[in-house]
Amino acid sequence: GENVEQHPSTLSVQEGDSAVIKCTYSDSASNYFPWYKQELGKRPQLIIDIRSNVGEKKDQRIAVTLNKTAKHFSLHITETQPEDSAVYFCAATPFGNEKLTFGTGTRLTIIP
Amino acid sequence: DAGITQSPRHKVTETGTPVTLRCHQTENHRYMYWYRQDPGHGLRLIHYSYGVKDTDKGEVSDGYSVSRSKTEDFLLTLESATSSQTSVYFCAISGLAGGRETQYFGPGTRLLVL
Repeated sequence: GENVEQHPSTLSVQEGDSAVIKCTYSDSASNYFPWYKQELGKRPQLIIDIRSNVGEKKDQRIAVTLNKTAKHFSLHITETQPEDSAVYFCAATPFGNEKLTFGTGTRLTIIP
Repeated sequence: DAGITQSPRHKVTETGTPVTLRCHQTENHRYMYWYRQDPGHGLRLIHYSYGVKDTDKGEVSDGYSVSRSKTEDFLLTLESATSSQTSVYFCAISGLAGGRETQYFGPGTRLLVL
């Protein structure tokens, strides 16, 4: 089955700087890669996703890049703000598969 | 928040007692899931359902059972709760406009087994 590894487990960045979280996956059939943000005490919420027919996707200050050859994908947050502080989870699955495999999460702290 | 509710939101119970958690959706999604979340482990799939009366095991299914008698409801039962089942439980749904891969989560249930 799929195995997703996520790094780093914790990340602290100065407000205004960029943050990058990386995930690797094992199943070459995987082609759907969502990212979830979970604020303290709240539910995970989908913030961006990418399918393998594209290499990069942006939505305002967040972007996701995908390297299918190396089997890794990354979340980039630019101009970080205090409200970006949260735990972020990556996940992967083959298209049409209803089960996601999640990474273990990255706790991002934005330092004012 | 995608029309998903969970009940109860908080529960304290004693070892050996049965516990049932409920997930209710108003979105008519085909797929429903139960996850548990523990520090250092992320989100781990317990069971999922791909239709009424159709369920399958996830990676951490031991000690749990599920039932889905209606599209909108997915029940998770701990037959005899143990302290290792203290966790936060999330329900999720998928299967419409976003495709079956795109999952949306409920608000969670905090379960403490003493």
